[in-house]
Amino acid sequence: TQLLEQSPQFLSIQEGENLTVYCNSSSVFSSLQWYRQEPGEGPVLLVTVVTGGEVKKLKRLTFQFGDARKDSSLHITAAQPGDTGLYLCAGPLDQTGANNLFFGTGTRLTVIP
Amino acid sequence: NAGVTQTPKFQVLKTGQSMTLQCAQDMNHEYMSWYRQDPGMGLRLIHYSVGAGITDQGEVPNGYNVSRSTTEDFPLRLLSAAPSQTSVYFCASSYSKWPNTEAFFGQGTRLTVV
Repeated sequence: TQLLEQSPQFLSIQEGENLTVYCNSSSVFSSLQWYRQEPGEGPVLLVTVVTGGEVKKLKRLTFQFGDARKDSSLHITAAQPGDTGLYLCAGPLDQTGANNLFFGTGTRLTVIP
Repeated sequence: NAGVTQTPKFQVLKTGQSMTLQCAQDMNHEYMSWYRQDPGMGLRLIHYSVGAGITDQGEVPNGYNVSRSTTEDFPLRLLSAAPSQTSVYFCASSYSKWPNTEAFFGQGTRLTVV
């Protein structure tokens, strides 16, 4: 059974602070994606990590895929109110093999101005 | 560019009623899917399609039907609504093959069954 556990579930920080959120699994994933979802909208892709140990940067966001491909993290430097949203990690839903996704439960981030 | 368009945005149904959630994409994507999002449970796959005329079940298909007569449209039908189907529903489309792909989501339909 696939399981992606995200922590923390909720995070509220002041503008300018740094933060890290985590996505963990007992299973190996071939690759993982991170999405951000804003209220009233669908998720939007941020990044795909494919290789164990891979680090990708997207402006102030740094994504890392664990060496064993069982975990991933997202680090945000100097958070801004525009970073507020639900952060979701997702991997391939292995039963379908048709681009379908298995999502974690998400981290809801609030950045206070 | 419209992307993925879902209608309606909000809907209230009585138990036992049926309805169709509409989804249309204008990106010529082969893959389309329906997810439901419930608090604390992330998004779960209901049904999906790999092309016109081809559909299959996802993780939580009971109580839902789909069809795909064209590349653009992928409607989701609730046969006899139940309170357990109260949720936010998202349609998504994607191209090529994992991991070199990106899922594009609609804005969602918030459904309440009373």
